[in-house]
Amino acid sequence: ELKVEQNPLFLSMQEGKNYTIYCNYSTTSDRLYWYRQDPGKSLESLFVLLSNGAVKQEGRLMASLDTKARLSTLHITAAVHDLSATYFCAVDKDSNYQLIWGAGTKLIIKP
Amino acid sequence: KAGVTQTPRYLIKTRGQQVTLSCSPISGHRSVSWYQQTPGQGLQFLFEYFSETQRNKGNFPGRFSGRQFSNSRSEMNVSTLELGDSALYLCASSPVALAGELFFGEGSRLTVL
Repeated sequence: ELKVEQNPLFLSMQEGKNYTIYCNYSTTSDRLYWYRQDPGKSLESLFVLLSNGAVKQEGRLMASLDTKARLSTLHITAAVHDLSATYFCAVDKDSNYQLIWGAGTKLIIKP
Repeated sequence: KAGVTQTPRYLIKTRGQQVTLSCSPISGHRSVSWYQQTPGQGLQFLFEYFSETQRNKGNFPGRFSGRQFSNSRSEMNVSTLELGDSALYLCASSPVALAGELFFGEGSRLTVL
């Protein structure tokens, strides 16, 4: 059974600091996705990582994928308050049209 | 380009009733997926449709059903509602055949009393 684990589940940090969210998954997959959810809102796609070694960056966020280690990271550089949200990673389950989700990391960035 | 539209946005039902939720995908997207989100269980896959065919179904009881129409619009139905069905039900569409990148609607928040 494919399991996706994120850590930490909760992160409170100061503006200007750097931090990394980790996403581990239990079986082989070459497709990993990061989403953001603001309170009371829907999910927004951030990154699509489709191969080993994939790295994508958007503003202060950078995501990477190591399929051999079954690990993806979401790195936040010089955090700003607007990045406060819950971040989810999800893995494609054997290409059978469903995503398996991590529990989410609730990120609070304090001014 | 209009996004994924879900209706209704909020609804309150009582145990034993049934509910139908609707989802209109982004124009041109033929894959529609449904997910249930709760604080305790997180995001769980319900089902996925492509060209009116259900290609996969999650581990939910038969009370949860869905369908897709020829215009790609989708509905899901929950019969004999239970308190535990209270959740945010999210619909997502995708332009590609595989799971791919999902575009989510705002969700339908169901409260069962």
